[in-house]
Amino acid sequence: DAKTTQPTSMDCAEGRAANLPCNHSTISGNEYVYWYRQIHSQGPQYIIHGLKNNETNEMASLIITEDRKSSTLILPHATLRDTAVYYCIVRVAQGAQKLVFGQGTRLTINP
Amino acid sequence: ETGVTQSPTHLIKTRGQQVTLRCSSQSGHNTVSWYQQALGQGPQFIFQYYREEENGRGNFPPRFSGLQFPNYSSELNVNALELDDSALYLCASSLGGGPNTEAFFGQGTRLTVV
Repeated sequence: DAKTTQPTSMDCAEGRAANLPCNHSTISGNEYVYWYRQIHSQGPQYIIHGLKNNETNEMASLIITEDRKSSTLILPHATLRDTAVYYCIVRVAQGAQKLVFGQGTRLTINP
Repeated sequence: ETGVTQSPTHLIKTRGQQVTLRCSSQSGHNTVSWYQQALGQGPQFIFQYYREEENGRGNFPPRFSGLQFPNYSSELNVNALELDDSALYLCASSLGGGPNTEAFFGQGTRLTVV
């Protein structure tokens, strides 16, 4: 399974953009990058995913580098409710489509 | 709200007992995966069911078993409970199992083994 590396924790001021980095240098060409977040032991919430193009939805933007070895999740205007653990996951392309969660980044939004 | 519902929300069992956890997938989703999340850790993949067949399994012993029903709902059964089985058990459903399909999680069942 392709491994991801994320900072353990980050802080961001409310109303500012939160930029969460992720390294996935061993990613294969047909593996997708997924982001989930988990708020205080609730079930993980799907945010966004992408293969090689940048993606944007109502929650966030995903920027994937051209070599696909890293990506950044951007929350454009962070609110207190965005405080959560954010998981960057590389989803395997063969077999069971399991999600391999690491330790994630604990993002704290400060007022 | 993801449309994935799990029951019960909380459960306390004694070591050595058996437990059954239930998951109703989002409407139209034919794939269900189960995860175990110990305190302070990320979720760990247990197994996945696609159209009533097990479609992959993580590093969990055989006393963890599952079922998927024709309506795509699913059960996770754990026999001979151990103290280390105390965790949040999460169910996720998706339409198909391809890498380009989002999986949506339920709120989980918190199992405590005493």
